[in-house]
Amino acid sequence: DTGVSQNPRHKITKRGQNVTFRCDPISEHNRLYWYRQTLGQGPEFLTYFQNEAQLEKSRLLSDRFSAERPKGSFSTLEIQRTEQGDSAMYLCASSAAPGGPMGGYTFGSGTRLTVV
Amino acid sequence: KQEVTQIPAALSVPEGENLVLNCSFTDSAIYNLQWFRQDPGKGLTSLLLIQSSQREQTSGRLNASLDKSSGRSTLYIAASQPGDSATYLCAVPHSGYSTLTFGKGTMLLVSP
Repeated sequence: DTGVSQNPRHKITKRGQNVTFRCDPISEHNRLYWYRQTLGQGPEFLTYFQNEAQLEKSRLLSDRFSAERPKGSFSTLEIQRTEQGDSAMYLCASSAAPGGPMGGYTFGSGTRLTVV
Repeated sequence: KQEVTQIPAALSVPEGENLVLNCSFTDSAIYNLQWFRQDPGKGLTSLLLIQSSQREQTSGRLNASLDKSSGRSTLYIAASQPGDSATYLCAVPHSGYSTLTFGKGTMLLVSP
């Protein structure tokens, strides 16, 4: 297990198209998180899963965004009808549940989305 | 609502200097604090994780301290090198570890 893996690394799409990103967490981690980062800002929380259950969603996650984590393994983040404001780096992270290795998060390399 | 502030926003130093990056947070009821490094266009790499019961953590030339009561953490980098050039982010979790709140980062440039 080499860490958190995200695909694709880069995605360029036309406005109005749908896109889907994938995240494969560290296998021992049962929590998976999605964050979005725009230029010059820190990452902002979007949503997180514990196993297959989506436990929290940020107000940033509009109706055009949906995330899934079937079987508590990998996760997908889909953006429908993309807008130019969706252009950002989408980061995935995983961690053990509280009480595990004291809550440290491991991030993937991110997916850079550009909407033209 | 937890807010995290990092000072300075940018820092440029010559190689070999020791430097300190600052992070402050408004809600001191944190479980831990994590420092990350981010290279341009890349993801985040965890540098140090300090538990709320700890005062500091060290890894190589990096030393992070935590003062919960004052809502502050510092990242000390000794004998800086050009390879240290990156953005450094600090983050604290909300209760229950459900989310991390990040600062905007300090962009560090170490010149040869």
